[in-house]
Amino acid sequence: DTGVSQDPRHKITKRGQNVTFRCDPISEHNRLYWYRQTLGQGPEFLTYFQNEAQLEKSRLLSDRFSAERPKGSFSTLEIQRTEQGDSAMYLCASSRQGNGYTFGSGTRLTVV
Amino acid sequence: GESVGLHLPTLSVQEGDNSIINCAYSNSASDYFIWYKQESGKGPQFIIDIRSNMDKRQGQRVTVLLNKTVKHLSLQIAATQPGDSAVYFCAENPTSGTYKYIFGTGTRLKVLA
Repeated sequence: DTGVSQDPRHKITKRGQNVTFRCDPISEHNRLYWYRQTLGQGPEFLTYFQNEAQLEKSRLLSDRFSAERPKGSFSTLEIQRTEQGDSAMYLCASSRQGNGYTFGSGTRLTVV
Repeated sequence: GESVGLHLPTLSVQEGDNSIINCAYSNSASDYFIWYKQESGKGPQFIIDIRSNMDKRQGQRVTVLLNKTVKHLSLQIAATQPGDSAVYFCAENPTSGTYKYIFGTGTRLKVLA
C-alpha cells in the first residue's frame, strides 16, 4: 500500500450525466476526506469520514453530491446531473487521527 | 500535463538561494498549520507542519515560522533546487479535533537555473 489511490484520473462527461469517483485510502488510515480544487485556487473541503461515518459536509456539497464509505475502507463520490460549474479536480486524502493528510493525485472532471 | 495555479503569486529564485514563502491565515483559533507542495497534475504533498504552541519548526532544508500575533506563517526553503519548483499552499485547522483544513490560495515557486 503505497498511498492514496483515486480512479479515474480524468473524466470528461456531458452536462446532465452522473459521474462517480473512487478513492482507496492508505489502509490503516481511519479518516478520509474529499476536497475540490479549481484552477488557481487551494483545495476546498467537501466532506470527511471517520471509519464509515460521514461526520461533516460542507455547504459546497449540494444535494447533487453524495459520498459514501460503506465499509470504512474505500469511498465513492457521486455527482448527479453534472453542471459545467462542477468541472474541477476532486481530491481525496486520508489520515490517522491526529496526523496530517496524505492526498491522492485527484480526479480531474471536465463537464462539457 | 495540466497546470496548477495559472494566476498565482509567483516567487522566482536562483538555484542555490534560499526561498521564503509567506501566508496569512484567517482564524485566530486555528491550532495546527501545514505546508503542502503541489506539482502540476498531482495532489498536494505534505512538507512540514507546526502546532500553535510552537513558533518555529525545522525539517530537512525547510523551516516553518508561525507568528500568531499577526496570523502569519512562512516557509523557508534552504538551498533551493529545481525540484522545488511547484505551487505551495499553507493550510490551517480552525476546529480542533476535526482536521478539516482551510487552504490558502497558493504561491508558485520558480527556480531559475
